[in-house]
Amino acid sequence: EAGVAQSPRYKIIEKRQSVAFWCNPISGHATLYWYQQILGQGPKLLIQFQNNGVVDDSQLPKDRFSAERLKGVDSTLKIQPAKLEDSAVYLCASSLGGALYNEQFFGPGTRLTVL
Amino acid sequence: AQKVTQAQTEISVVEKEDVTLDCVYETRDTTYYLFWYKQPPSGELVFLIRRNSFDEQNEISGRYSWNFQKSTSSFNFTITASQVVDSAVYFCALSETKTSGSRLTFGEGTQLTVNP
Repeated sequence: EAGVAQSPRYKIIEKRQSVAFWCNPISGHATLYWYQQILGQGPKLLIQFQNNGVVDDSQLPKDRFSAERLKGVDSTLKIQPAKLEDSAVYLCASSLGGALYNEQFFGPGTRLTVL
Repeated sequence: AQKVTQAQTEISVVEKEDVTLDCVYETRDTTYYLFWYKQPPSGELVFLIRRNSFDEQNEISGRYSWNFQKSTSSFNFTITASQVVDSAVYFCALSETKTSGSRLTFGEGTQLTVNP
């Protein structure tokens, strides 16, 4: 079974530029998550989708971050404009559902460096 | 608010030593789940174990074992006879109930280095 796919793996941009990340979850997984992991810290949830609807975006900096999951499968996360403090690994995860017990399967992440 | 604390930032052991990773959590929920994930240098988080708040039975799986104590809000993880391949960052996480679905709150992680 194919895992969660993410691209690109690495991205270097200058501050104030825009960047987009792509995620393809495990087939059949209704719930998709985007996390931000700053170096030396645990992942922090940015946004959670159930199919193509947003169920939690309370920790998403909406002035610069946006995400969509059209058709309830692939998802993109965009940052516009980027700031230095956005340098982090962006992890995508998926699970069968959004229940308490559902384990999440993670992709390899996209390492973003903002100069 | 939910919180997960992993007090050990880094642990270094020699191969074949046993090592215990500590995890303490805070929650007001009566029903919750605890998880351990491993993040090797490749970066991908790998699920290790899940335990619900009503099941305090400790578990052993090969060289791994978990000790869940609700009275002390702890969910510790032990690797017996550690190997170099165990070197990774280990995260403890707590699943909390929200209005819609659930949210996973991670600790800061413990960097484990196993030296040959």
